[in-house]
Amino acid sequence: NAGVTQTPKFRVLKTGQSMTLLCAQDMNHEYMYWYRQDPGMGLRLIHYSVGEGTTAKGEVPDGYNVSRLKKQNFLLGLESAAPSQTSVYFCASSYGPGREQYFGPGTRLTVT
Amino acid sequence: KQEVTQIPAALSVPEGENLVLNCSFTDSAIYNLQWFRQDPGKGLTSLLLIQSSQREQTSGRLNASLDKSSGRSTLYIAASQPGDSATYLCAVPDTGRRALTFGSGTRLQVQP
Repeated sequence: NAGVTQTPKFRVLKTGQSMTLLCAQDMNHEYMYWYRQDPGMGLRLIHYSVGEGTTAKGEVPDGYNVSRLKKQNFLLGLESAAPSQTSVYFCASSYGPGREQYFGPGTRLTVT
Repeated sequence: KQEVTQIPAALSVPEGENLVLNCSFTDSAIYNLQWFRQDPGKGLTSLLLIQSSQREQTSGRLNASLDKSSGRSTLYIAASQPGDSATYLCAVPDTGRRALTFGSGTRLQVQP
């Protein structure tokens, strides 16, 4: 039981490049989340999903897109990376609303 | 909008001390409260989840208490060890019980 996994662990992008972060969970959780963590700002929700095929915006969605084509996977896309998107990105999952959330190890992204 | 505050921001104690970390929230209508541990460069590990109907939750040397009416939770760590050194975060679900609102964390260092 791997829990929540994220790929890649590290990535460096140039401004304007695109990339996709993959999150996978093997706990059959309905809910999945993408957060970003920045010094002095704490963790903030980017997008979330309440089930396969559904997504919704969080607190800081601009510049990101997501997809949940399979229940176990939640993808976060950056279409045109900007230096302001330099951050550590965490994926999380839970059985349902208000239930305990389990986090992945994070992806450290640097945009130059 | 729910706001979560953690005091102190940093704490350094000698090994063996009992210590208390504080978490306060502005909206007392919470569903539950979750305490996490984050090691440098790592993801978040869930320590305890305390339901709104509970007053306390214990796991090993950790004890979390919750006082909804005063908007406070405390995490008590007994007989601290150098391995307890990490950042401790508390979080509560938002109004829709979807995402978590996090405090900024308490960075704990336990000196051998």
